[in-house]
Amino acid sequence: QKEVEQDPGPLSVPEGAIVSLNCTYSNSAFQYFMWYRQYSRKGPELLMYTYSSGNKEDGRFTAQVDKSSKYISLFIRDSQPSDSATYLCAMRMDYGGSQGNLIFGKGTKLSVKP
Amino acid sequence: NAGVTQTPKFQVLKTGQSMTLQCAQDMNHEYMSWYRQDPGMGLRLIHYSVGAGITDQGEVPNGYNVSRSTTEDFPLRLLSAAPSQTSVYFCASSYGAGRYEQYFGPGTRLTVT
Repeated sequence: QKEVEQDPGPLSVPEGAIVSLNCTYSNSAFQYFMWYRQYSRKGPELLMYTYSSGNKEDGRFTAQVDKSSKYISLFIRDSQPSDSATYLCAMRMDYGGSQGNLIFGKGTKLSVKP
Repeated sequence: NAGVTQTPKFQVLKTGQSMTLQCAQDMNHEYMSWYRQDPGMGLRLIHYSVGAGITDQGEVPNGYNVSRSTTEDFPLRLLSAAPSQTSVYFCASSYGAGRYEQYFGPGTRLTVT
């Protein structure tokens, strides 16, 4: 079992829909949780990050972490065609050295149709 | 700031050839890393560096070498290219221990025939 599992999709929604993207993980030592967005043929860019449990909101985006269930989510409200991209979850432990490296999910490809 | 730059953008190699993928950053970041991205596999860490003169292996280091002689540059060397190394390669950097905020380059698309 991989440490981080993410449904690769693809996910297709109409413009204005609420989108829910999810990852599960197996390592309870993970403390930092991130979402990266990757447009086609581009490098990933950091969208949001959360430390430990809880919610974080930034505009139309909300990141949730449930450490008891080892489950993280990204919600996109009022989705736009410009949100069409691949979304990768990533996480890491709160240590240095190799344990501080990011572990990525496989990414979910999202398409928002006008 | 140019951010993280990678050259070349595209490369085709024959099996057994060697080459170096270049990566440079102008943000004075201590941490730099190389990933490969394959369909259905996500991003996998090849090698990383926490500072000039310090490198270490990631998840998939076989067939690759790295060195870090300066803070700015982190080249990735393919020693003897194999078709299994056909992939998109991304270089990333971040400031110190804050590795969650990694800045990625635009990628190099490598095909090995």
